[in-house]
Amino acid sequence: GAVVSQHPSWVICKSGTSVKIECRSLDFQATTMFWYRQFPKQSLMLMATSNEGSKATYEQGVEKDKFLINHASLTLSTLTVTSAHPEDSSFYICSARSAQDIQETQYFGPGTRLLVL
Amino acid sequence: GNSVTQMEGPVTLSEEAFLTINCTYTATGYPSLFWYVQYPGEGLQLLLKATKADDKGSNKGFEATYRKETTSFHLEKGSVQVSDSAVYFCALSEDLNDMRFGAGTRLTVKP
Repeated sequence: GAVVSQHPSWVICKSGTSVKIECRSLDFQATTMFWYRQFPKQSLMLMATSNEGSKATYEQGVEKDKFLINHASLTLSTLTVTSAHPEDSSFYICSARSAQDIQETQYFGPGTRLLVL
Repeated sequence: GNSVTQMEGPVTLSEEAFLTINCTYTATGYPSLFWYVQYPGEGLQLLLKATKADDKGSNKGFEATYRKETTSFHLEKGSVQVSDSAVYFCALSEDLNDMRFGAGTRLTVKP
């Protein structure tokens, strides 16, 4: 099946710094990628949807200037948490959808755990 | 808005026991319903899905039936194995860009 990777798998940073998380589709071209956030014992919450070569669409309540998303190629999307604060600590998960997949299934990455001190 | 409520865990079962994980949903239209599974250290994987009322999704011995009258999509398996230990997520989507997840249910199967 289709594989999506994320890097790093976990990161610890100081408050005020920026952190970049990469999401890659390894064996397919992802025309659409999704970024989710998951708090402990809670649902995955969609943050934004990005299409290759265009600006991301953010969900209501998600600050686009704080969570910068770039989908520069068909196999890579990045999420940058700018000026991170402890309340940004969370589990961030990306998913990708292939244009070649008739059923348009989303394939998920393993997630990135962010801890802001 | 659309939402999913699933049974809180954790659930601990002995091998070969019967499994049910409840999932109910709220939707304004006619969503597709999904069960995803997340094994330790891995990403979410689609386990099964159903796209309309009375459809039954099945995979790897797991089944779930789309019940519009009770707005439910309960996951069942007749005989669980240790290898089924994972976190299970119920989800719905009215369009493929808007997927709503339940909180997840952790299943542990003991030998």
